[in-house]
Amino acid sequence: SQTIHQWPATLVQPVGSPLSLECTVEGTSNPNLYWYRQAAGRGLQLLFYSVGIGQISSEVPQNLSASRPQDRQFILSSKKLLLSDSGFYLCAWSVWGRNQPQHFGDGTRLSIL
Amino acid sequence: AQKITQTQPGMFVQEKEAVTLDCTYDTSDQSYGLFWYKQPSSGEMIFLIYQGSYDEQNATEGRYSLNFQKARKSANLVISASQLGDSAMYFCAMRASLNAGGTSYGKLTFGQGTILTVHP
Repeated sequence: SQTIHQWPATLVQPVGSPLSLECTVEGTSNPNLYWYRQAAGRGLQLLFYSVGIGQISSEVPQNLSASRPQDRQFILSSKKLLLSDSGFYLCAWSVWGRNQPQHFGDGTRLSIL
Repeated sequence: AQKITQTQPGMFVQEKEAVTLDCTYDTSDQSYGLFWYKQPSSGEMIFLIYQGSYDEQNATEGRYSLNFQKARKSANLVISASQLGDSAMYFCAMRASLNAGGTSYGKLTFGQGTILTVHP
């Protein structure tokens, strides 16, 4: 069966520090991968998605970036964090198909001080 | 552009009663999919049910059913026999047409969510 791992679960970082969040998927090949951010009590905002190795599409201009160095690995990064980067970050995967849902990791709660 | 609207910020229901969570959508696509997710306080997103725009019957999955009214562009989630464990945030989401040449392939647009509280 397929599983998705996302870490760390919580992270507290100072303003201006770098960021690296990692997400890996097991049990499937060539998945579509997604990074979302969720503000407290709000809906999900799509940040990046990838349909293949090295292919990244950005939805929202920001100081975050994403990379997909391997088929089932998706990384969210920042060189310098802003206070506004605080939030709950969720990674998700899906396969091609009209009725295929996205499956989410457990998320990372990021607090910027 | 697609849009999902969930007009109920919060809903309350008595245990064992049924509850309907509203979702309306806006799209110019003829082919699309609608999804409902549950997010407990722990944060994970749990897929509940799917409805395709060309599906003739309303989707059902255990205690979850979808009241799909295409002409009204609504896809309301019905939870029957509510349980205390159903207390969570619920999100409606829509997937754009699976146009391989388009940039919207596979992406979901989420509503703002409805917080459901089940009372004993």
